[in-house]
Amino acid sequence: QVQLQESGPGLVKPSETLSLTCTVSGGSISSYYWSWIRQSPGKGLEWIGFIFYSGSTNYNPSLKSRVTISVDTSKNQFSLKLTSMTTADTAVYYCGRLSLNSPYWYFDLWGRGTLVTVSS
Amino acid sequence: ENVLTQSPGTLSLSPGERATLFCRASQSLNSYYLAWYQQKPGQAPRLLIYGASNRATGIPDRFSGSGSGTHFTLTISRLEPEDFAVYYCQQYGSSPWTFGQGTKVEIK
Repeated sequence: QVQLQESGPGLVKPSETLSLTCTVSGGSISSYYWSWIRQSPGKGLEWIGFIFYSGSTNYNPSLKSRVTISVDTSKNQFSLKLTSMTTADTAVYYCGRLSLNSPYWYFDLWGRGTLVTVSS
Repeated sequence: ENVLTQSPGTLSLSPGERATLFCRASQSLNSYYLAWYQQKPGQAPRLLIYGASNRATGIPDRFSGSGSGTHFTLTISRLEPEDFAVYYCQQYGSSPWTFGQGTKVEIK
């Protein structure tokens, strides 16, 4: 059974860079699209971006200037970097897998989420 | 950006009752690209419906989805105690992918 697990710091200072990793266990990262989504009380659920296992990416335009998503197939992991963090970036960050059920798109698997708080 | 507006914000119902949740898109959307999720406190969202009307694996048949264009509906035919949660619609038709703000189904 494939599972996703987010890891990274729970506390980030304003202006710093957030780095999170999602580890895929019980299956291969290959052949799928992988994504980051966040959820905050103020903005609800917000899609951050996705990466194909080969490395091609697509980002939310509202975050594009600050986001980098990368993949390490040798470790079965993909990662999120979000620069210039502010209090507005405080949220639960989820990693997710996109289905291969063409032509449909949907998140068929989610990690449990990790709370990231931005505070000095 | 295709804004999804869900209504009502909160639905107060009793177990055994029927729940009807609405999701309206600001721009017309291919129904292939509309999904519904259920979220319980402290948990990640769980896929219920994809392609507007297809139940995900393991989802009971009391959940059904319908709609096209800009109007989509999630129906729970008879509420079970475990169905009281928050429900979100999401569109994948255009970037950025967006979620509705959610409908909370609470016990009356």
